[in-house]
Parts: sequence; structure tokens; C-alpha cells
Amino acid sequence: EAQVTQNPRYLITVTGKKLTVTCSQNMNHEYMSWYRQDPGLGLRQIYYSMNVEVTDKGDVPEGYKVSRKEKRNFPLILESPSPNQTSLYFCASSSQRLLSETQYFGPGTRLLVL
Amino acid sequence: ILNVEQSPQSLHVQEGDSTNFTCSFPSSNFYALHWYRWETAKSPEALFVMTLNGDEKKKGRISATLNTKEGYSYLYIKGSQPEDSATYLCASLNAGNNRKLIWGLGTSLAVNP
Repeated sequence: EAQVTQNPRYLITVTGKKLTVTCSQNMNHEYMSWYRQDPGLGLRQIYYSMNVEVTDKGDVPEGYKVSRKEKRNFPLILESPSPNQTSLYFCASSSQRLLSETQYFGPGTRLLVL
Repeated sequence: ILNVEQSPQSLHVQEGDSTNFTCSFPSSNFYALHWYRWETAKSPEALFVMTLNGDEKKKGRISATLNTKEGYSYLYIKGSQPEDSATYLCASLNAGNNRKLIWGLGTSLAVNP
């Protein structure tokens, strides 16, 4: 089954404790992206990757890091989480071949930073 | 920053009613318009991706139209059912955004049985 998976689905942590949210897709998609969703603000892109070893900042990259060492995986790293990073996070992937490609979303990770 | 606006923000209808809502997007350097359906506690799922002016797409009771010259798209739901209750998101892809979709805030639809 074609899918995007994220782990963990829920996480409560404390300020400053490094964490990683994993994202994996099995559709051989080149393009992967991380979004955060906050009430009243809609989906905002954090980072995206056009292909392996190619990453770039989205609209709200501060406080986040990513890596793309393999095509299927695109982990989101919070080196020193802060309460303003409490949010719902989605990973998404799509084929790069077309400009009008559908985004496939993961199930979401709900993060609470105390 | 290019904005995508959706209206209304929320909508309550009775089962069996037909309804529609609007997505306004920048018409300059337009590439594609996406519609997604987002149910509570789930992830957004793609409904349509539209690229051509005048395009119409249909999926069951849901259809969408696209006007790229004036920068708007309509989403129609015929004979709404309780399972249609969700937030409907649109997103615009325009040249110069470096392959970033610009998302609207969504229209939240509640269908009362």
C-alpha cells in the first residue's frame, strides 16, 4: 500500500531536549516536505527536499533541521525544542516529474513542548 | 507573499443540501490548484489537481471548477452527507514560489443528519 508514515504520532517533551520525528514514504517520490499546522494559520512549510542530499528552507525553518540521505526518509530534527514549536506536524511527498503533482500526507505528529 | 483565500470559513448544512465554497488565488504565473479534504484526526487527502482554465473535475458527488484568468475555483458538493463533514483546503502553485504550495485556511463543513 502506498503510504507516508510518521513516528511518533504523539510526543510530549521538555524544552531543550533534542528530538527527531521520522518520515518515510514507499512511493519512490523525489519531493518530500514538512509542514506545521497551527490554529488560524493554516499549513506552513518548514523544509522541503527535491531529492537525495537536496534540501531547502520553507516559510518557517527556524529551530528545525532536516536531512535527506535516502530517497524514502526525511527526518525532522528539533535540536532544542521550545514551547512555540508545540504544533501538529505533517510530512508529505510527491513526484517531482510534474509541476502539478498531488501531495501525499502522513498521519501527522502532535508535539507538545513543555 | 502570495495569498490564497477561502470562503466561507465555516459552513453548516443539512443532510441532502447541496453546497459550494470558493478558493481565490493569485492568477499571475499560475501552475496548478489543489483541493484537499481533511477529516478530523486524519491527514489531508487529495481531491483534485487542476491546471487548465475552464477545467472541471468530478469525484462522486464532489466537483470543482477553475478560472485561472480571474483566480478562483469553486468546490461543489451535491446532496451533502454527514460523512462529507471535513475541512476542505485549497492550495495554489505559482511560478516563482520555488515549488511551494500556498495554502488557504480551509472551509470547515459540518453536515447535520
